[in-house]
Order: sequence, then structure tokens, then C-alpha cells
Amino acid sequence: GNSVTQMEGPVTLSEEAFLTINCTYTATGYPSLFWYVQYPGEGLQLLLKATKADDKGSNKGFEATYRKETTSFHLEKGSVQVSDSAVYFCALIPTGAGSYQLTFGKGTKLSVIP
Amino acid sequence: DSGVTQTPKHLITATGQRVTLRCSPRSGDLSVYWYQQSLDQGLQFLIQYYNGEERAKGNILERFSAQQFPDLHSELNLSSLELGDSALYFCASSVRPAVVETQYFGPGTRLLVL
Repeated sequence: GNSVTQMEGPVTLSEEAFLTINCTYTATGYPSLFWYVQYPGEGLQLLLKATKADDKGSNKGFEATYRKETTSFHLEKGSVQVSDSAVYFCALIPTGAGSYQLTFGKGTKLSVIP
Repeated sequence: DSGVTQTPKHLITATGQRVTLRCSPRSGDLSVYWYQQSLDQGLQFLIQYYNGEERAKGNILERFSAQQFPDLHSELNLSSLELGDSALYFCASSVRPAVVETQYFGPGTRLLVL
């Protein structure tokens, strides 16, 4: 079946540090890949997405590149801020899915300290 | 604010009881998705509706049911509640079921079964 594996958290970084959150997936064909972010007490928000191999999604300084050869979609940011503290979810929608439901990883909690 | 509303925000009930969670999608969105977020299972897709019709089912228990009404709001009914049903239930909506259409999440309903 389809699945997403994320690095275990929590991750604690100092402000302006470099962030990487690893994400790998298992799916047939060419799934579409997503990063969602959940701020405390809120619902999930789409952060970025990529729908085909070698695509780079980017938003608010975050980036992730769809790597078919390594089945990965790692999230990166060059300089994190305290306001980036949240839980980050990697997710996929498989190719040819009739319903387009998201399959999520377990989430990675990020805490950024001043 | 995603434009998706969910009520109630919090719900505390007892085992064996039945509850109804309500979701109003963003204006213009025809597709509604329900997800469950629990500590042990993570975020899981439950069920999807598109323009009033059930489109797909995920890991939804037989004790759970849902429907989408002509005004496009949706309700998730949970019956014979068990302790393990305690979770955060999210509704998401999109214009239509398609990868290119972003799923917008509501703030969730937190259910506690005692």
C-alpha cells in the first residue's frame, strides 16, 4: 500500500539554523507529494507541493524537491524563525486515485528557540 | 482562516454514546473529506463526499457514518463510542477531487470519550 515515513521528532533548533525534515514514501507510479503544517491549536495548512519527479515546491522560504530515484521529498529551510515552530506533515496522493485522499506521515514537531 | 468551519470545537461524552460532528466547506467547494488524528494512528483518511455523493472510504469504522447535504455541509456521525475514538477530527474541502485542487482544513473537533 501507500505510505509515508518521516523523521522522528521533536526537532529543536536555534533561530536562523538550517532545517531539514526527511520524508520518504512508498507508492506505485508517480504520486503527488505535499508538505502540510499544523500550528498549535489550528488545522493543517498546505505549505508546498510537487506533482511530478524533479519538481521543486517552495513557499515562505521552505523548499522540497521530488526525487523519484530515492522516493524522497525532504523539507528544507535555510534560516528558521521562532514563528516556524509547528508540526510538519509529509503526505501523498497516489497516481490514479479516484478520491484524492491524502496519506500522511506521522508528523515532525519543530521547536525553534530564540 | 481556511474558510472551513467545524462545530463543535470540543466534545466530551461517555462510552456508548452517539455524537454528530458538523463541517461547512469553503464557499464553492463541492468535495469534503474527513480525517481522524489520534496519537497512536496519526492522521488517517476516513471518508470523502463529492457534491452529495460518497466518493471514497478509508479506515472508517462501521460505527461511523457520514453524509453530505444539498447545501454541501457534511456531518460525521460516531456511534457506540469507545475510549479509543478519542481524537481530533478534521474536515477538509476542495473545489473538486483533483490533485491540483488544494484541500483546505478546518480547525477540527476534539472528541474526548470518557
